[in-house]
Amino acid sequence: EAQVTQNPRYLITVTGKKLTVTCSQNMNHEYMSWYRQDPGLGLRQIYYSMNVEVTDKGDVPEGYKVSRKEKRNFPLILESPSPNQTSLYFCASSLLGQGAGNNQPQHFGDGTRLSIL
Amino acid sequence: DQQVKQNSPSLSVQEGRISILNCDYTNSMFDYFLWYKKYPAEGPTFLISISSIKDKNEDGRFTVFLNKSAKHLSLHIVPSQPGDSAVYFCAAREYGNKLVFGAGTILRVKS
Repeated sequence: EAQVTQNPRYLITVTGKKLTVTCSQNMNHEYMSWYRQDPGLGLRQIYYSMNVEVTDKGDVPEGYKVSRKEKRNFPLILESPSPNQTSLYFCASSLLGQGAGNNQPQHFGDGTRLSIL
Repeated sequence: DQQVKQNSPSLSVQEGRISILNCDYTNSMFDYFLWYKKYPAEGPTFLISISSIKDKNEDGRFTVFLNKSAKHLSLHIVPSQPGDSAVYFCAAREYGNKLVFGAGTILRVKS
């Protein structure tokens, strides 16, 4: 089954304790992206990756890191989490980047709810 | 400043009637628009899309209309079914690699 898998689904942790949210897709997609969803703000892009070893900042990258060493995996790293990073996070992937000429929609994982105390 | 706005946080519709969800945008460089549906505890799933060169796209019960001069798009669901109850996100693509999402509209279809 084609899917985007995020782990963990839920996490409660404390300020400053490094954490990683994993994301894996089995569709051989080149493009992957991380979003956070906050009430009244919709989904905002954190980072995206056009392909292996190619990553770039989205709208709200502060406090986050990503890596793309393999095509299928795109982990989100919070080196020193803070309470304002409490949110619902989604990983997404698509066959190609979202540029003109490519109308492949993004496929989303089921989300990771992070609470930073 | 939000470039994509869904001004109705929620909408309640009777089963069998039409649901109309609205979305306004400010960036005239958006070239592609999408609607996603999201159920609780799941990720958004793609519903329907429209290119900026078109004004209508239809897929079964779902139709998206685009009015470029007004920078407005809408999603029509006819007839509405209880299973359509979900959060609907409007999204717009900037030339490049980014989707910009609205805040979402909660649709409740009453049986």
